[in-house]
Amino acid sequence: EAQVTQNPRYLITVTGKKLTVTCSQNMNHEYMSWYRQDPGLGLRQIYYSMNVEVTDKGDVPEGYKVSRKEKRNFPLILESPSPNQTSLYFCASSPGANQPQHFGDGTRLSIL
Amino acid sequence: QKEVEQNSGPLSVPEGAIASLNCTYSDRGSQSFFWYRQYSGKSPELIMFIYSNGDKEDGRFTAQLNKASQYVSLLIRDSQPSDSATYLCAVNEGGFKTIFGAGTRLFVKA
Repeated sequence: EAQVTQNPRYLITVTGKKLTVTCSQNMNHEYMSWYRQDPGLGLRQIYYSMNVEVTDKGDVPEGYKVSRKEKRNFPLILESPSPNQTSLYFCASSPGANQPQHFGDGTRLSIL
Repeated sequence: QKEVEQNSGPLSVPEGAIASLNCTYSDRGSQSFFWYRQYSGKSPELIMFIYSNGDKEDGRFTAQLNKASQYVSLLIRDSQPSDSATYLCAVNEGGFKTIFGAGTRLFVKA
């Protein structure tokens, strides 16, 4: 089954404690992206990757890091989380940037 | 700042009616347009995509694109209660970024 898998689905943690949200896709897609979704603001792009070792900033990259060492994986790293990063996060993939994206189930992060 | 605007709603229509959802975008160079449906607590799922001016139909759904006026719309015919969700408009300007609107909440009353 074609899917994008995110882990964890839920996480409550404290300010400053480094965390990683993993994302893996099994569709051999070149393009992967991270979004955060906040009430009234819709989906905002954090980072995207066009292929292995090629990443770039989206509209809200501050406080986040990503890496793309393998085509299937695109982890999101919060090195020093802060409460304003409390949000619902989605990973997505597609064959190319201008094609429909397939979303993971989401990760709800709460930073206390 | 490139923008995608949607009426937040809620839009309420009776069962069996046509629901019309609209979206405007600011970047005249935009090339790819998408409609996603998102149920509460779930991830977005693709409903329609359109690349060329005009209409594109898929079952009960029709996407309409007018690049001169910079708007894209989604029509849902014979609306069902199961269509009640938030509909997200997304636009790609031909580069690597996709910009989403904030979404329109649709309620279909039985």
